[in-house]
Amino acid sequence: GENVEQHPSTLSVQEGDSAVIKCTYSDSASNYFPWYKQELGKGPQLIIDIRSNVGEKKDQRIAVTLNKTAKHFSLHITETQPEDSAVYFCAATRFTSGTYKYIFGTGTRLKVLA
Amino acid sequence: SAVISQKPSRDICQRGTSLTIQCQVDSQVTMMFWYRQQPGQSLTLIATANQGSEATYESGFVIDKFPISRPNLTFSTLTVSNMSPEDSSIYLCSVQLGGQETQYFGPGTRLLVL
Repeated sequence: GENVEQHPSTLSVQEGDSAVIKCTYSDSASNYFPWYKQELGKGPQLIIDIRSNVGEKKDQRIAVTLNKTAKHFSLHITETQPEDSAVYFCAATRFTSGTYKYIFGTGTRLKVLA
Repeated sequence: SAVISQKPSRDICQRGTSLTIQCQVDSQVTMMFWYRQQPGQSLTLIATANQGSEATYESGFVIDKFPISRPNLTFSTLTVSNMSPEDSSIYLCSVQLGGQETQYFGPGTRLLVL
């Protein structure tokens, strides 16, 4: 079945450094790729997304790149801050049976060291 | 986006009992979803709940164990029936707005079954 691999599972960086999280998907029909941040005790919060007709998208310190040929996409966080510490989930999505079906990655626990 | 609330935020229950989780949205939405997130794991879709129709369950989840109600466009409930310790998880509801691909998540209900 469809799956999304996410790496690394844990990531520690020094404050101010960059962090990169990578996801690979299997379903070539996927066309929407959101990223969620989940802080302790909270629900996932959308932080950025990208559609299949775009190769890169940036929002302040956060950027996402997509390589449809290779079926992988990445989250880039620059100038990391302690408040970036959280679990990050990627997802690959396609429209099927009247709804958008989400396949989530396994999550990356990011720790930003002050 | 949407403002989503869930009740209860957390609960500790005895095995064999049932718990009903409520999800309230601040706007009318057609598509609502229920997910399970086991400790330290990713998100797994339980079912899709559309107003006016029966919920659609994913493989491995059955209506007898997870009955869902969707009485109107702003509210849904998920019941976890005849609970066992294996049901200890975070239960999340999410919504899609209009025809958008994006899902927005509630804060989750943290369930511990003893």
